[in-house]
Amino acid sequence: EAGVTQSPTHLIKTRGQQATLRCSPISGHTSVYWYQQALGLGLQFLLWYDEGEERNRGNFPPRFSGRQFPNYSSELNVNALELEDSALYLCASSLASLEDIQYFGAGTRLSVL
Amino acid sequence: GQNIDQPTEMTATEGAIVQINCTYQTSGFNGLFWYQQHAGEAPTFLSYNVLDGLEEKGRFSSFLSRSKGYSYLLLKELQMKDSASYLCAVRPFGTDKLIFGTGTRLQVFP
Repeated sequence: EAGVTQSPTHLIKTRGQQATLRCSPISGHTSVYWYQQALGLGLQFLLWYDEGEERNRGNFPPRFSGRQFPNYSSELNVNALELEDSALYLCASSLASLEDIQYFGAGTRLSVL
Repeated sequence: GQNIDQPTEMTATEGAIVQINCTYQTSGFNGLFWYQQHAGEAPTFLSYNVLDGLEEKGRFSSFLSRSKGYSYLLLKELQMKDSASYLCAVRPFGTDKLIFGTGTRLQVFP
């Protein structure tokens, strides 16, 4: 069974550009979570989607947005990129139960030059 | 709010036992998680504690004391492949999101 898959693996952008990151959850999982892991910092919660709806968002500006598609895959969009957006962006999925485990993908490394 | 503290780095010798501590200040949570993350790879789930006490899974065990705001991950019979970062996280009441500590980077030497 395939795990959580993310694409692309690496992404290089310049300041002011827009980035789109993609995530496919484990088959049968309906919840998708996005986290940012900047150098030297812990994973910071960005967004949570379940059944196509945004359920919660972390303390990030509105230029971080996303969506979840009917097949439960998800996109994270970052507009007006800034240098400090350079980080590893991790996606996780779960069965949308408060008791369930979040399983992570390998992430997209975003570099903003 | 939530504040989770872990040591930044630890070293140990192959075959030894190491305990990685996690202390937290939080208004309440459903459970406490431990993940392992090798450099450049996805965090992988290790353990989940809901109740106080010890959860054992092979060479890895995790302990939780809610009254003391404290958890630890115990790794026995250390192997070189255990060199990784270990992440402690809590899931606050009423939400699915995880709040992570900054992680502990463990280096195992021969």
